[in-house]
Amino acid sequence: DVKVTQSSRYLVKRTGEKVFLECVQDMDHENMFWYRQDPGLGLRLIYFSYDVKMKEKGDIPEGYSVSREKKERFSLILESASTNQTSMYLCGVKRSNQPQHFGDGTRLSIL
Amino acid sequence: GQQVMQIPQYQHVQEGEDFTTYCNSSTTLSNIQWYKQRPGGHPVFLIQLVKSGEVKKQKRLTFQFGEAKKNSSLHITATQTTDVGTYFCASDRRGGSNYKLTFGKGTLLTVNP
Repeated sequence: DVKVTQSSRYLVKRTGEKVFLECVQDMDHENMFWYRQDPGLGLRLIYFSYDVKMKEKGDIPEGYSVSREKKERFSLILESASTNQTSMYLCGVKRSNQPQHFGDGTRLSIL
Repeated sequence: GQQVMQIPQYQHVQEGEDFTTYCNSSTTLSNIQWYKQRPGGHPVFLIQLVKSGEVKKQKRLTFQFGEAKKNSSLHITATQTTDVGTYFCASDRRGGSNYKLTFGKGTLLTVNP
C-alpha cells in the first residue's frame, strides 16, 4: 500500500505568514492532489500535479500555490495566510484510475 | 464540469437499522469509488465499480452502480457502531492521460447504540 506522509498533523500560523504544507509518497505514483475539507462542503480540490514540475488548478486555487520538484513530494503554499484558510488539508496520491490514498491530514489554524 | 451529488448529508440510525447513501450525476460516469472517513481520520478506499449495473458486496455493505452509469448507492445492513463515519462517493474525471477524482459531499452516519 502507498504510504502518504504529511509533515504536520496540527499547525497554527498567523495572518500574513507564508505557510508550507508538505506531502511525501513512498511509491512512484504520478498524480498528487491537495484538498481542503470543511464541514458541509466535503473535499474540495485545490491543486493537483500529474508529473514533476507539472501542475493544474483545481476547483478552489485562489490564495494557494504548489510545487513539485521531485516526484515523491508535493508542497502546498499559502503565500499570505488568511483566516478563511483555516481548514483541514488532505494530500492524495493515485495512479491513473486506481484508488486514491490519503495522508493523515493537517489541521491548519490561521489566527 | 462533472459533478457528483450525494444524499443525504446526514443520517442518524439506531444500531441494527439499515442505512443507504446515494450518488447521482447528470453525466455518464467512467467509474464510481466509495470511501469511508472515520471521525478524526482520513478517507479510506472501500471499493470501485466500473461496469453498468454492477453490484458488489463486502460483508454487510452492498454497492451498486446504475445501469446508465449515472448513479450509485451504498447500503449497510444492520448498522453497528463501528460503521460511524462519513461515506464519500467519487468518480474519475479524465483529462488526457490524467485522472482526478470528483467527490460527492459525503454522508455523515451516526449510530445510536
